[in-house]
Amino acid sequence: DIQMTQSPSSLSASVGDRVTITCRASQSISSYLNWYQQKPGKAPKLLIYAASSLQSGVPSRFSGSGSGTDFTLTISSLQPEDFATYYCQQSYSTPPTFGQGTRLEIK
Amino acid sequence: QVQLQESGPGLVKPSQTLSLTCTVSGGSISSGSYYWSWIRQPAGKGLEWIGRIYTSGSTNYNPSLKSRVTISVDTSKNQFSLKLSSVTAADTAVYYCARRITGGGDYFDYWGQGTLVTVSS
Repeated sequence: DIQMTQSPSSLSASVGDRVTITCRASQSISSYLNWYQQKPGKAPKLLIYAASSLQSGVPSRFSGSGSGTDFTLTISSLQPEDFATYYCQQSYSTPPTFGQGTRLEIK
Repeated sequence: QVQLQESGPGLVKPSQTLSLTCTVSGGSISSGSYYWSWIRQPAGKGLEWIGRIYTSGSTNYNPSLKSRVTISVDTSKNQFSLKLSSVTAADTAVYYCARRITGGGDYFDYWGQGTLVTVSS
């Protein structure tokens, strides 16, 4: 299985901050990388697919980049509703695997 | 708008079989290039893919669970189902069904709300 490692595991930030979360794959996955947001008690929500494509309806303050083994999710200006846990997921090979999550908290 | 809804017992005894069904509404389960998946999440932990089925009946399972998992589809009811046998406390989790789209990307775009299954005597 391909291992996905996110950093940091948790992050404190303020409304209006620019935040970057990193995801590293244990082998090259080309651009087969997706990002999800999960709020407590809710299902994950797709934000970014294919490393940098914004899912329909997701605010443009979310962006993704990277290819190969290193990827980033950036939130350009944090809004109150963005405090949640974020997961990366590779779809390069079966089984699809997720990172351990990055919990974004209010400072 | 596609919607998915999990249903099934919330409590299963150890060594028994966990059975869940996902009902798809707002679209046909048979249309498009979609795989229908099960994913689980133990409390406070990350996400684990269990397996998927295509409407042809073709399946793929996570090797870590393969010996205990069966996923099936009933296109007439617009449903797909999960059976996990010989459960233990380690199988206690929120179970999600999700649609996986392929072509132009490969990702889970629609998810059910999740259902908590507790394994306990």
